[in-house]
Amino acid sequence: RKEVEQDPGPFNVPEGATVAFNCTYSNSASQSFFWYRQDCRKEPKLLMSVYSSGNEDGRFTAQLNRASQYISLLIRDSKLSDSATYLCVTNYGGATNKLIFGTGTLLAVQP
Amino acid sequence: DTGVSQDPRHKITKRGQNVTFRCDPISEHNRLYWYRQTLGQGPEFLTYFQNEAQLEKSRLLSDRFSAERPKGSFSTLEIQRTEQGDSAMYLCASSPRQGSTEAFFGQGTRLTVV
Repeated sequence: RKEVEQDPGPFNVPEGATVAFNCTYSNSASQSFFWYRQDCRKEPKLLMSVYSSGNEDGRFTAQLNRASQYISLLIRDSKLSDSATYLCVTNYGGATNKLIFGTGTLLAVQP
Repeated sequence: DTGVSQDPRHKITKRGQNVTFRCDPISEHNRLYWYRQTLGQGPEFLTYFQNEAQLEKSRLLSDRFSAERPKGSFSTLEIQRTEQGDSAMYLCASSPRQGSTEAFFGQGTRLTVV
């Protein structure tokens, strides 16, 4: 079983739609949680960190449920420019602080 | 450009050849990571340096792989006797300090073994 599981999609949605991505992680020792965005053939870039209290950045809202080991990302009013792969990411902290990535969810926003 | 720089961006090599990739992290970032990403998958951790010390290596890093960061600045990743299964995007990332949660990625080196 992968440490971070995501629905690979693709999610095809019209402009203006609201879309939600879900992610589960298996290691209860996970300390920090993130959503990264990766455009086709480009490097991953941090979209937002995810906090237990939930956090919002413009049209993007992230939620974390530690009890269920579940992370979500909600995108409101989708734009064409939101088309990308969204990677769910955790880390265990410690000396290395390496990132553990899910497989990513592909979003295609249609005009 | 003050971001993470990787060279080359693309590499095509014949099976059995050796290849070496270079990563220049953001200045003053003492933490450096190598990841590998294959099609349809997320990046997978390969190895980690804090300054010049290699502190962790994944079991994915077979004995054909070696990484160095001799002066605590740039890093190299060498693959000896390449195999077709080595074809992937090799990503380098750096972070500024212990406990920092954000990793800044380079654009990657795309390796194709034919």
